[in-house]
Amino acid sequence: DAGITQSPRHKVTETGTPVTLRCHQTENHRYMYWYRQDPGHGLRLIHYSYGVKDTDKGEVSDGYSVSRSKTEDFLLTLESATSSQTSVYFCAIRGVQTVDEQYFGPGTRLTVT
Amino acid sequence: GENVEQHPSTLSVQEGDSAVIKCTYSDSASNYFPWYKQELGKGPQLIIDIRSNVGEKKDQRIAVTLNKTAKHFSLHITETQPEDSAVYFCAAGAGAGSYQLTFGKGTKLSVIP
Repeated sequence: DAGITQSPRHKVTETGTPVTLRCHQTENHRYMYWYRQDPGHGLRLIHYSYGVKDTDKGEVSDGYSVSRSKTEDFLLTLESATSSQTSVYFCAIRGVQTVDEQYFGPGTRLTVT
Repeated sequence: GENVEQHPSTLSVQEGDSAVIKCTYSDSASNYFPWYKQELGKGPQLIIDIRSNVGEKKDQRIAVTLNKTAKHFSLHITETQPEDSAVYFCAAGAGAGSYQLTFGKGTKLSVIP
């Protein structure tokens, strides 16, 4: 257990509404990541953070923003949710055992209707 | 950017037989290659990884091989058991800077009792 929790675990929302997903870690790791998982696409990186207030874009960042005001929390926001953002979202942290290993949280299933 | 291809997308084996999953990558700068196992409704779990200074690594029934010249790496599971049934993902990373991982699209392994 890498000490990662995600909330909420399930959410249904309507098109056009804002949504924020939370990732919380208890191990004080510097690097945190947000991925989305869709059938036929595997895991794709949305955004990542390398420290408090330090974030950068990943492969599929359009329509998403992130914030990290504390080491332990990494927030993913969908400013105006669309049906194409229906997905399972995973948070990951890096550096538990070695500098390059990534460990994943349990995921959030988001449905946009 | 990096591109990771994974084959096959589905694999069925009889209990006790071996299973092999293969991945190729495109970026010669990649030097970290993890494998993840994902059970239904859970986050991906790191099961084994290999770095570019090693050609093979083994952990009980699981082994990974790496051919840097050909840019491919493989996961081998021997003496398969029903609990090995899951989706397996390979990934490649540059092991420096942001340590971003690029994932393959996954292989659904079914072990038939």
